[in-house]
Amino acid sequence: NAGVTQTPKFQVLKTGQSMTLQCAQDMNHEYMSWYRQDPGMGLRLIHYSVGAGITDQGEVPNGYNVSRSTTEDFPLRLLSAAPSQTSVYFCASTTWGAPLHFGNGTRLTVT
Amino acid sequence: ELKVEQNPLFLSMQEGKNYTIYCNYSTTSDRLYWYRQDPGKSLESLFVLLSNGAVKQEGRLMASLDTKARLSTLHITAAVHDLSATYFCAVVTGTASKLTFGTGTRLQVTL
Repeated sequence: NAGVTQTPKFQVLKTGQSMTLQCAQDMNHEYMSWYRQDPGMGLRLIHYSVGAGITDQGEVPNGYNVSRSTTEDFPLRLLSAAPSQTSVYFCASTTWGAPLHFGNGTRLTVT
Repeated sequence: ELKVEQNPLFLSMQEGKNYTIYCNYSTTSDRLYWYRQDPGKSLESLFVLLSNGAVKQEGRLMASLDTKARLSTLHITAAVHDLSATYFCAVVTGTASKLTFGTGTRLQVTL
């Protein structure tokens, strides 16, 4: 029972590069979301999805794109990496009334 | 805009003592979650509070929700070193995947 799987675990990018953070869940959850965690700021919502084909912006969406072509997958794309995007990224999934299940996180450094 | 405030931000307590962490939020919500995070790890769900007056207990931790006061508390009874971690409350706004997190309370239990 894998739960929420994120890859990669660590990534270093140069400013201006693009990349995709992968997220997959095997619990058939309809809701999925991406958060970033920065020291002293808790977790902030980047984008979320309420089902396949439906996505919406969260609190800090600028510089990120998402898509949800299947129930299982919810990749996060960084279009042109900036040092301000250095952070730990968590993907999560849930169903109504249940807590979010979080992946193990991706630690991203942009130099 | 929903704001979620936790206090204290840092708590150092001796083993065997009791203490309470407070979570205040600024707009109406009837769903609140508590999470625990160990350093360098993902978030682990502790409690799901789904209605006014909800009280949940697990071991030395007890959480409650007062939706009228927009307040949740996490009470620690007879703290032990293993409870040392950062604790987050998170309030649902809109869909189940859209949470607003507090900034976290770092708990340090000393011998």
